[in-house]
Amino acid sequence: EVHLVESGGGLVQPGGSLRLSCAASGFTFSSYAMSWVRQAPGKGLEWVSGISGSGNSTYYADSVKGRFTVSRDNSKNTLSLQMNSLRAEDTAVYFCASVGRIQLWNYFDYWGQGTLVTVSS
Amino acid sequence: DIQMTQSPFSLSASVGVRVTITCRASQSIRTYLNWYQQKPGRAPNLLIYAASSLQSGVPSRFSGSGSGTDFTLTISSLQPEDFATYYCQQSYSTPYTFGQGTKLEIK
Repeated sequence: EVHLVESGGGLVQPGGSLRLSCAASGFTFSSYAMSWVRQAPGKGLEWVSGISGSGNSTYYADSVKGRFTVSRDNSKNTLSLQMNSLRAEDTAVYFCASVGRIQLWNYFDYWGQGTLVTVSS
Repeated sequence: DIQMTQSPFSLSASVGVRVTITCRASQSIRTYLNWYQQKPGRAPNLLIYAASSLQSGVPSRFSGSGSGTDFTLTISSLQPEDFATYYCQQSYSTPYTFGQGTKLEIK
């Protein structure tokens, strides 16, 4: 059974940094691209970042480009998101999600429970 | 970026009725369209991928259709557990974008 468990969320001041982790189990982690998706309180879903199975390719939303860095350690089945220069608008629940793929179609097929990041002074 | 627009924003319906939610993309995304269901305090759950393919384990009362810019999610006979928020998402190109969500409430 696939399990994704996020950790590392918390309260941080504007301009501060935080590192989120996502521990994966139940599937061959290195074979799957992964993504981070966030949801501000009471708002909709926003894709934040993605990374290929090998880790060689990374992708970012414009809203976080240059401030966030996604990485993975396939030896430890762990996905990470380093968040720097945090802003109030980064306050959200952050979900990690595996990217399922059939031929050319991809989709977020498994999700963690989310970890809350609050940026406030 | 590709903009995804859902309608309606919210919908009130009774158990047993047929419900349709629409999603429009700002440019053609062929069939690179997914649908998710989210209940309060929970992670989203994949329902439909590639516009019309039912994810394993999802009840057959859910169906998706469309291609290009216009898509629909249909629930053939609403069940009590279907009251939730539904999101479409395009996987045609990054940044992957979601619709704003449609909240389905009990009438």
